[in-house]
Amino acid sequence: KAGVTQTPRYLIKTRGQQVTLSCSPISGHRSVSWYQQTPGQGLQFLFEYFSETQRNKGNFPGRFSGRQFSNSRSEMNVSTLELGDSALYLCASSLRKEWDKYEQYFGPGTRLTVT
Amino acid sequence: TQLLEQSPQFLSIQEGENLTVYCNSSSVFSSLQWYRQEPGEGPVLLVTVVTGGEVKKLKRLTFQFGDARKDSSLHITAAQPGDTGLYLCAGSTSGSARQLTFGSGTQLTVLP
Repeated sequence: KAGVTQTPRYLIKTRGQQVTLSCSPISGHRSVSWYQQTPGQGLQFLFEYFSETQRNKGNFPGRFSGRQFSNSRSEMNVSTLELGDSALYLCASSLRKEWDKYEQYFGPGTRLTVT
Repeated sequence: TQLLEQSPQFLSIQEGENLTVYCNSSSVFSSLQWYRQEPGEGPVLLVTVVTGGEVKKLKRLTFQFGDARKDSSLHITAAQPGDTGLYLCAGSTSGSARQLTFGSGTQLTVLP
């Protein structure tokens, strides 16, 4: 079974621009979560989508948004890019193990550099 | 807000040595996962523990979940250079089962 795929793998943008990142979960997984990883803050939760609805949201400004399509594919968008948005953006899809317990499988990430 | 404190932050050891990484919190987690991450790649799931006191073994790696489900440890026996990487613990709660809170990570270097 194919793993989580993310496109593009690398991206360079200028301050003030916007960017859209894409994630395709493992086949059959209906939940997609997004995380930001930086050297200073580590891995931080952005938001999570399940059945096309945002279920949880982390503590990030409104410039960060996302959506999920009916085929479970997800996109995240960052508008008005700032230098501090440079990071590795990771997408994960979830497999339910028990009633309230899931395992998350990560994609390779998109490395965003803002100049 | 759940926080996971991971220690040590950096660890450099010789091949063949044993090591333990700790993950501690004041919060109770319904499950805890350990990942290993290589530079420029996404984290790879190693194990999930869900029951207090649970011990799981994966070859030379032993994972333990604390009785109160607030802490966990990863023990590596006879470390090899291939074990080098960033080890991350991550927990989730019943209310937000698909939202992981990550520890800050342990960068392990195993020297040949």
